[in-house]
Amino acid sequence: DIQMTQSPSSLSASVGDRVTITCRASQSISSRLNWYQQKPGKAPKLLICAASTLQSGVPSRFSGSGSGTDFTLTISRLQPEDFATYYCHQSHSIPWTFGQGTKVEIK
Amino acid sequence: EVQLVESGGGLVRPGGSLKLSCAASGFTFSDYWMGWVRQAPGKGLEWVANIKQDESVKFCVDSVKGRFTISRDNAQNSLYLQMNSLRLEDAAVYYCARVDYSGSWHYDYWGQGTLVTVSS
Repeated sequence: DIQMTQSPSSLSASVGDRVTITCRASQSISSRLNWYQQKPGKAPKLLICAASTLQSGVPSRFSGSGSGTDFTLTISRLQPEDFATYYCHQSHSIPWTFGQGTKVEIK
Repeated sequence: EVQLVESGGGLVRPGGSLKLSCAASGFTFSDYWMGWVRQAPGKGLEWVANIKQDESVKFCVDSVKGRFTISRDNAQNSLYLQMNSLRLEDAAVYYCARVDYSGSWHYDYWGQGTLVTVSS
């Protein structure tokens, strides 16, 4: 199974900050990497697929990059509604696996 | 508008069974792979199973093989998860999600989830 490791597990940031979350796969997954945002008590929401393709309706302050084993989700200027938990997800091979999540909290 | 609405969750004893349903609307259900993802209380997301449009291909995580069965009824626009021999560690919110492809397979729409509690 492909293990997905996110770092950090949590972070504190202020509105307007630039935030970077890293996801590392235990083996190459090409660009088959997706990012989801989840708020408490809500279903996950797809932000980015194929490592860097922004979903329709997702603000342009979100961006994704990487390929192979190392990936990054960047929020250029953190907004109040961005405080949430973020998960990476590989769909390169079965079983699909998720990172453990990164909780973005208000400083 | 795409909508996925899960139902069927509840309290069940270890060793018991439960069948989850997911009612889909707002898109042509028979055109899409579908899947189930679960989230134990306070934990992260775990992929459970996916099913192809015509049920000819099904995948599931090893921990549920032989106990859970994913199925669908395209005429009823519904996805199902039959869960047998439930264990304490199966307790979670179960999400139904639509699978799409654009450079990578991903879940583009999710239901609100249904809670399964396993307790004696």
